[in-house]
Amino acid sequence: SQQGEEDPQALSIQEGENATMNCSYKTSINNLQWYRQNSGRGLVHLILIRSNEREKHSGRLRVTLDTSKKSSSLLITASRAADTASYFCATDGNGNKLVFGAGTILRVKS
Amino acid sequence: DAGVIQSPRHEVTEMGQEVTLRCKPISGHDYLFWYRQTMMRGLELLIYFNNNVPIDDSGMPEDRFSAKMPNASFSTLKIQPSEPRDSAVYFCASSINRGGNEKLFFGSGTQLSVL
Repeated sequence: SQQGEEDPQALSIQEGENATMNCSYKTSINNLQWYRQNSGRGLVHLILIRSNEREKHSGRLRVTLDTSKKSSSLLITASRAADTASYFCATDGNGNKLVFGAGTILRVKS
Repeated sequence: DAGVIQSPRHEVTEMGQEVTLRCKPISGHDYLFWYRQTMMRGLELLIYFNNNVPIDDSGMPEDRFSAKMPNASFSTLKIQPSEPRDSAVYFCASSINRGGNEKLFFGSGTQLSVL
């Protein structure tokens, strides 16, 4: 079963615009992670936010976490064509088992 | 470090044949995970190991699936006999657990097609 569910399922934007993806989960967590997957490749870790953190930045990425609502958002600012990929949230609600959501497909048009 | 290495990259086989997927985790990582990715079911955790010991295999779909980790640098996932519904991309990932669930490093995956 999938712990995290991303929204929207797909997102298409113009280069330079911001992209926001959301993730909702069901059980309490220690941390939440975001990964990117380019077509035909393995997943690449982007950022980890712990349950006692509310916001975290990494370059053009900004992640927020609201444990009361069991939700997180990933913001990519000033998007580039190279940001085109699928983005997944993952939660550790089941101990050491990291469970992934269904993902958001992001397309950045140049 | 070369990262997590999986082989083969692609595997095409006929129904009923045995399939063995291989994984070499990053040196020093003590956790190893096998995931399966399909369009219908997304990323599913099949099994994971800690210090070469299988900890949770509840995601293994059937007895046709088995996984081993004979040492810290090698793991296999075997399907016998294979069926068309096993067609998927199989990923291996490894991590170091420093008291929390740290980030996973994924291999490039094995694209399995069972005809």
